[in-house]
Amino acid sequence: KAGVTQTPRYLIKTRGQQVTLSCSPISGHRSVSWYQQTPGQGLQFLFEYFSETQRNKGNFPGRFSGRQFSNSRSEMNVSTLELGDSALYLCASSSMAGRGQETQYFGPGTRLLVL
Amino acid sequence: QKEVEQDPGPLSVPEGAIVSLNCTYSNSAFQYFMWYRQYSRKGPELLMYTYSSGNKEDGRFTAQVDKSSKYISLFIRDSQPSDSATYLCAMSAGVTGGGNKLTFGTGTQLKVEL
Repeated sequence: KAGVTQTPRYLIKTRGQQVTLSCSPISGHRSVSWYQQTPGQGLQFLFEYFSETQRNKGNFPGRFSGRQFSNSRSEMNVSTLELGDSALYLCASSSMAGRGQETQYFGPGTRLLVL
Repeated sequence: QKEVEQDPGPLSVPEGAIVSLNCTYSNSAFQYFMWYRQYSRKGPELLMYTYSSGNKEDGRFTAQVDKSSKYISLFIRDSQPSDSATYLCAMSAGVTGGGNKLTFGTGTQLKVEL
């Protein structure tokens, strides 16, 4: 089974621009979560989508948004980029069979550099 | 104060040593405890998954959870250079407690030297 894929793997943007990142979950997985990883803050939860609906949201400003499509693929968008948005953005998928805490499988991430 | 605290290291040990990695947490709602390993330029991969208090062993890895002390540990026996990575603890209140959200420690960087 193919793992979680994320595109692009690397991205360089300038302040004020916007960016869209894409995530394809493991086949059959319906939940997609996004995390931001920085050296200072570690991994921080951005949001989770399940069946095209946002189920949970972390403590990030409204510039960070996402969506999920009917095939479970997900995109996240960051508008009006700031230098502090430079990070590794990780996507994780899980099957959501409805038991306990579902195991989350992470993709390789998209490394975003904001200049 | 962060919900999950983890010593960032770096931690350097000789090959064959026993490694102890730890996290403390403050949220009593956490019931599910995980350890992830992350190699440089890769996404985290799940190593151990534990529900509630107790021990779990898988090969050279042992995870311990003490909910009364809000303290979790990962032990690596007979450490190998291939174990050199960043180890992240992660916790969750479970699907009914907050969706599929994981709260992570900042990670401990481990280097196992020949």
